[in-house]
Amino acid sequence: GAGVSQSPSNKVTEKGKDVELRCDPISGHTALYWYRQSLGQGLEFLIYFQGNSAPDKSGLPSDRFSAERTGGSVSTLTIQRTQQEDSAVYLCASSYRLAGGFKETQYFGPGTRLLVL
Amino acid sequence: AQSVAQPEDQVNVAEGNPLTVKCTYSVSGNPYLFWYVQYPNRGLQFLLKYITGDNLVKGSYGFEAEFNKSQTSFHLKKPSALVSDSALYFCAVWGKKSSGDKLTFGTGTRLAVRP
Repeated sequence: GAGVSQSPSNKVTEKGKDVELRCDPISGHTALYWYRQSLGQGLEFLIYFQGNSAPDKSGLPSDRFSAERTGGSVSTLTIQRTQQEDSAVYLCASSYRLAGGFKETQYFGPGTRLLVL
Repeated sequence: AQSVAQPEDQVNVAEGNPLTVKCTYSVSGNPYLFWYVQYPNRGLQFLLKYITGDNLVKGSYGFEAEFNKSQTSFHLKKPSALVSDSALYFCAVWGKKSSGDKLTFGTGTRLAVRP
């Protein structure tokens, strides 16, 4: 079946502009995650959606970052007034999220490579 | 707080030789442990996970990992490396009693397999 898809695959923008990154999770997956991968760094958790519950925004680095998930499926990560330090690969993942914690496997999309000039 | 350490930035091994990529962790409660692999310009792919049961977990592409509770380790292993195994490997952990509700990833280990 289809995996997690993300668009665009690459995005070049100028400092100060807003960008929107899109994630289409695997059909039926209730949980959706956004991560940021900077050069030479591990994965930095940004935000997590589970069903209709309020998202866990604890990883968002500043109030310039926001995300929404419409209809329990597609998600958009928005970065306002981009800065050069926002340059990174933004990865989206989805999973089933049953009671009991993070034991369900996360399936990752190919990522969006963002470059802020 | 939970944490993961991958002490080696890079591991070099000759094709056909066994490989080990190290991972140690710190969590509250029993750990859920994962290994993911990232090929160039690709997203992360799931390799294997430990939830409970046998300490030796077998996964994709011939990889396996051994959960060692006393040493709080979950090293990734393969008996015979292939050049195509060259990639970036991430270990991740979640502790059942951890506050917060997300996986913590290590910084990654780059595996280079030479022909």
